[in-house]
Amino acid sequence: DTAVSQTPKYLVTQMGNDKSIKCEQNLGHDTMYWYKQDSKKFLKIMFSYNNKELIINETVPNRFSPKSPDKAHLNLHINSLELGDSAVYFCASSFSAGGGYTFGSGTRLTVV
Amino acid sequence: DAKTTQPPSMDCAEGRAANLPCNHSTISGNEYVYWYRQIHSQGPQYIIHGLKNNETNEMASLIITEDRKSSTLILPHATLRDTAVYYCIVREEDSSYKLIFGSGTRLLVRP
Repeated sequence: DTAVSQTPKYLVTQMGNDKSIKCEQNLGHDTMYWYKQDSKKFLKIMFSYNNKELIINETVPNRFSPKSPDKAHLNLHINSLELGDSAVYFCASSFSAGGGYTFGSGTRLTVV
Repeated sequence: DAKTTQPPSMDCAEGRAANLPCNHSTISGNEYVYWYRQIHSQGPQYIIHGLKNNETNEMASLIITEDRKSSTLILPHATLRDTAVYYCIVREEDSSYKLIFGSGTRLLVRP
């Protein structure tokens, strides 16, 4: 019973393509996040949704568009993929009232 | 930007206690101290958090100084599986506040 599950685990695609990464949590959390970890291993927040509403939107190219159909799901769609988008993308969830985040196992995106 | 300072790397012997320090001299009264770790290629894992008092759970203990300007994460009996990057983060308990990761401490547990 995976608490935060991401699909796919690996994604290899060509420049210019459009791709989506899906995330689902079964913890009953009301807040979900996307983080990006680049080749230098820095983890940076991209987006945060609370009960389907966007509450954090970092300086991310508008080619990245998150969508939250319900509070258990937060998907990430990326248009016109570039080489620099290659990274590991982590989904996470938490309660808005506080406490720790639970992270998924990551999606390794490689743009060639 | 991360508001914490951690040594880039540490090591300890298997079975011994691992004490990981963290400085957060600009911490505000509403900010909690969180610890996470990331084992190679896996997603970050929540360990423990606290505000003022020392905290203990099945994974670790968190010791926060009285002035709250620094803290120490203690793994009482480190195992090889504890080798990971450990992140100390300060954050308010509100979803509008970001969990900002710094560069962390790379802990190597030696056999």
